[in-house]
Amino acid sequence: EAQVTQNPRYLITVTGKKLTVTCSQNMNHEYMSWYRQDPGLGLRQIYYSMNVEVTDKGDVPEGYKVSRKEKRNFPLILESPSPNQTSLYFCASSPQRSGSPLHFGNGTRLTVT
Amino acid sequence: LAKTTQPISMDSYEGQEVNITCSHNNIATNDYITWYQQFPSQGPRFIIQGYKTKVTNEVASLFIPADRKSSTLSLPRVSLSDTAVYYCLVVPYNNNDMRFGAGTRLTVKP
Repeated sequence: EAQVTQNPRYLITVTGKKLTVTCSQNMNHEYMSWYRQDPGLGLRQIYYSMNVEVTDKGDVPEGYKVSRKEKRNFPLILESPSPNQTSLYFCASSPQRSGSPLHFGNGTRLTVT
Repeated sequence: LAKTTQPISMDSYEGQEVNITCSHNNIATNDYITWYQQFPSQGPRFIIQGYKTKVTNEVASLFIPADRKSSTLSLPRVSLSDTAVYYCLVVPYNNNDMRFGAGTRLTVKP
């Protein structure tokens, strides 16, 4: 089944403890992206990647890192999480082809205490 | 990247047609318009997209005037299950940067 898989679904951690949220897609998509969603703010893009080894900042990249070593994986890294990074995170992918919609994962709800 | 403006919220009743308009004044020649639907705690789901005039699928219609500075998503005969947040995106032709705004929260009442 074609899908975008995020793990974990839920994560509670403490300030400063490094964490990684994984994202994997099995559709051979070139484009992948991370978003965070907070009440009243919609989805805000954190980072995106147009292909392997090509990443770029979105609207809210501070405090996050990403890597794209393989086409299928696009992990989101929080080196030193803070409470203001408590949010619902979504990973998405699409072909690098005009008119192709985004496919989203099921989300990761992160709480930083 | 073209900025989009949508109403923050809308209310409707079951069986009515709902029209949600999105403004995108500085849309570029090769950009196209895409709409997504999102239910609570789920990732957004693609609804419809278009470049100009009218597009219709089994879920919705999308109306885009000749100047392309706005677009209107039309949902025919909404039901309670259409209660969701709807996002309008202006997407570059090469699909490389897709940014969502705050969306429109549609509430369908019985």
